[in-house]
Amino acid sequence: AQSVTQPDIHITVSEGASLELRCNYSYGATPYLFWYVQSPGQGLQLLLKYFSGDTLVQGIKGFEAEFKRSQSSFNLRKPSVHWSDAAEYFCAVVGSGNTGKLIFGQGTTLQVKP
Amino acid sequence: GAVVSQHPSWVICKSGTSVKIECRSLDFQATTMFWYRQFPKQSLMLMATSNEGSKATYEQGVEKDKFLINHASLTLSTLTVTSAHPEDSSFYICSARENIGQGNSGNTIYFGEGSWLTVV
Repeated sequence: AQSVTQPDIHITVSEGASLELRCNYSYGATPYLFWYVQSPGQGLQLLLKYFSGDTLVQGIKGFEAEFKRSQSSFNLRKPSVHWSDAAEYFCAVVGSGNTGKLIFGQGTTLQVKP
Repeated sequence: GAVVSQHPSWVICKSGTSVKIECRSLDFQATTMFWYRQFPKQSLMLMATSNEGSKATYEQGVEKDKFLINHASLTLSTLTVTSAHPEDSSFYICSARENIGQGNSGNTIYFGEGSWLTVV
């Protein structure tokens, strides 16, 4: 069965420091992967997606993610974190069966220290 | 990117009444929309898949008679929580899959802003 794991439930980084949020997936075929960000009390905003092609994808707000098939990973990175990046981050994969259902990881809460 | 709008953002209703939440894709057509429920500090739980012009597909454990879903047009899906009770209080989020060309798996999925339901 497909699954997504975000090993880090909570991460704290200092403002200006680099960030990497981990995401591992379990999927038999070529995965379609997404990263979303959720601010408290709000919906999800798409940061970036990977469907095919270049394994390093650029997203909004200075985020990027790299798809590594050999490691079944799709880690999210940002070179310099801003205080406004504090939020919940979700990694997701489209499930099988061509339905478009998203399978979410548990989420990672990012806290940014001044 | 594409925009999905939910209305209302906040709703308070009395126990036993019904409440409707709308999900609209504003600048694209969506034959498929999804309804999620999210509890505090948890991930999203898929409730049902809403298909335009046909019945919704509910996830295991979700009561279809309690959570009525209607997808009457390519830009609108509604979720009606019938005979609401305090335990139905939650954050409900919809998403819509943007239809682009052939195939479905690669289409981007956009989320609404969510709707807070409080049943008193």
